[in-house]
Amino acid sequence: GESVGLHLPTLSVQEGDNSIINCAYSNSASDYFIWYKQESGKGPQFIIDIRSNMDKRQGQRVTVLLNKTVKHLSLQIAATQPGDSAVYFCAETDGSGYSTLTFGKGTMLLVSP
Amino acid sequence: KAGVTQTPRYLIKTRGQQVTLSCSPISGHRSVSWYQQTPGQGLQFLFEYFSETQRNKGNFPGRFSGRQFSNSRSEMNVSTLELGDSALYLCASSLDVRGEQYFGPGTRLTVT
Repeated sequence: GESVGLHLPTLSVQEGDNSIINCAYSNSASDYFIWYKQESGKGPQFIIDIRSNMDKRQGQRVTVLLNKTVKHLSLQIAATQPGDSAVYFCAETDGSGYSTLTFGKGTMLLVSP
Repeated sequence: KAGVTQTPRYLIKTRGQQVTLSCSPISGHRSVSWYQQTPGQGLQFLFEYFSETQRNKGNFPGRFSGRQFSNSRSEMNVSTLELGDSALYLCASSLDVRGEQYFGPGTRLTVT
């Protein structure tokens, strides 16, 4: 498959473990944050988003935490599965819409059976 | 509902040439954005179109241009290609400018 990035931070976990992927952002004006998953050979896929007026949001097996004080975002994946192996990106926007996203560099998640 | 489609999927060009990439958004989506993805710079916003008008543009030279047609399909053009233009070019569509974006599989451009 295609490589979406070289020298990415990599998180290696065992199947069934919980995974935590972190992201720091720099724009204090950002008020929408999104996590994307990108598998080899595919475009990014929306996982979950959160607005700046929230600290936490839960989805199916995923939780996003937002700490505006230190401009930090995290994605928690419960009971990680081999199919979760991918590159994960956080993205931010200043409220003008999803259309002009600023992406982080990405973290590669490797899940071993 | 069919997803975002991009053509071609792979392209090889030589320096100095120009290239046109095409994106067909999800039916009913009116906003199309383009991104460049490289190992060094990651994902970077190129431009966004809504109702045939460029609404936003990223920090790229004028060699990068785009347009959107009345059926919301979009094309982007890169003229006078440079080696550094080698990248995965991603298109994303959304219902409107504030909507969730859905990405296509990308066009892999290699400049030799």
